Amino acid sequence: GAGVSQSPSNKVTEKGKDVELRCDPISGHTALYWYRQSLGQGLEFLIYFQGNSAPDKSGLPSDRFSAERTGGSVSTLTIQRTQQEDSAVYLCASSLVVDRVYGYTFGSGTRLTVV
Amino acid sequence: GENVEQHPSTLSVQEGDSAVIKCTYSDSASNYFPWYKQELGKRPQLIIDIRSNVGEKKDQRIAVTLNKTAKHFSLHITETQPEDSAVYFCAAVGVGGGNKLTFGTGTQLKVEL
Repeated sequence: GAGVSQSPSNKVTEKGKDVELRCDPISGHTALYWYRQSLGQGLEFLIYFQGNSAPDKSGLPSDRFSAERTGGSVSTLTIQRTQQEDSAVYLCASSLVVDRVYGYTFGSGTRLTVV
Repeated sequence: GENVEQHPSTLSVQEGDSAVIKCTYSDSASNYFPWYKQELGKRPQLIIDIRSNVGEKKDQRIAVTLNKTAKHFSLHITETQPEDSAVYFCAAVGVGGGNKLTFGTGTQLKVEL
């Protein structure tokens, strides 16, 4: 597509429920990234997919967080047993990586509120 | 891993003045340094980037400088306008970081009339 698409744009969930956040990257972009941005804070790296390589999961804050990328395109970030501290904007980005990385294009994010 | 520090956290300037935001990085092998602008409630957008093989890059009113020896890079905005008001993030990619960006903590720039 023309840009990075994320859904839903807003999600309110009860503490303890599972949520799934979706990211559809720019067509042809080989790399896909998930970041988290808490209110008024910076961008915290979560996970990174590049082609067929094993994902870099080093930023996932706990084992309640997982992500997958199917067919090298769409990615889903799953948060199990949500907690109030999970409330944040979850941003997905994609980039073209050939011999070097190029700038990310971010989606509009999913604003997650855990009540 | 890479660590990026950004200063100042807030910056207020008068319209027409220049603004400078500075970042330092820890991984001497880092080779790509983008800057993002994030307006309130919107996504971060790439405004300029620089690679380690150059020392300066300009695009109209914005410029970025890189000092590899000191491991710091800066964003310069000249002739600031109210629409420049936003949060600016610097970032760096380390060679060992698998192409993932490590971001600074952001600078809230306010351009006052």
